[in-house]
Amino acid sequence: AQSVTQLGSHVSVSEGALVLLRCNYSSSVPPYLFWYVQYPNQGLQLLLKYTSAATLVKGINDFEAEFKKSETSFHLTKPSAHMSDAAEYFCAATPPGGSYIPTFGRGTSLIVHP
Amino acid sequence: DVKVTQSSRYLVKRTGEKVFLECVQDMDHENMFWYRQDPGLGLRLIYFSYDVKMKEKGDIPEGYSVSREKKERFSLILESASTNQTSMYLCASSSRTLGYTFGSGTRLTVV
Repeated sequence: AQSVTQLGSHVSVSEGALVLLRCNYSSSVPPYLFWYVQYPNQGLQLLLKYTSAATLVKGINDFEAEFKKSETSFHLTKPSAHMSDAAEYFCAATPPGGSYIPTFGRGTSLIVHP
Repeated sequence: DVKVTQSSRYLVKRTGEKVFLECVQDMDHENMFWYRQDPGLGLRLIYFSYDVKMKEKGDIPEGYSVSREKKERFSLILESASTNQTSMYLCASSSRTLGYTFGSGTRLTVV
């Protein structure tokens, strides 16, 4: 069965610092991969997605993620953190064939310090 | 702008009540889902539907049922609400490559 692992339930950065949120998947066939963001008391919003085109994917609010097949990873980065980036981030994977039900990671809470 | 709309943002219900959570999408998606979200547990799939009048159990269906009479509407029903069903409930619709579009969530408190 496919699984998605997000390393670190909490990540703390200073405003202006690099943001790196880690996501690894386990699947023999590269899945479709997604990052979602959830602000307090809101639903999840799609940040970006990988669907077997370019391996470097750009999303909203200057976030980007790179698909690395050799590492089975899809880490999310942003060059410079803003206070408004403080939120919960979820990585998800959907198999390219068969079930369309995505598997979600447990989430990483991003804390941004002034 | 595409949308998934959940009818209530906050609900407070009494133990034993029958509770209806409504979700409507305007994207003509076949697939719709109900999740609950609890601290430390992430998102857990309750039920999903891939077509009108079709439904499938997710990982935690006990105590819940669903209804999908029209393509755009997917309802979650708590037959007899209990305090352990206090949670954030998220509805979503999807296509495989475009990912999910989520509603804003309903925070349900059962007292």
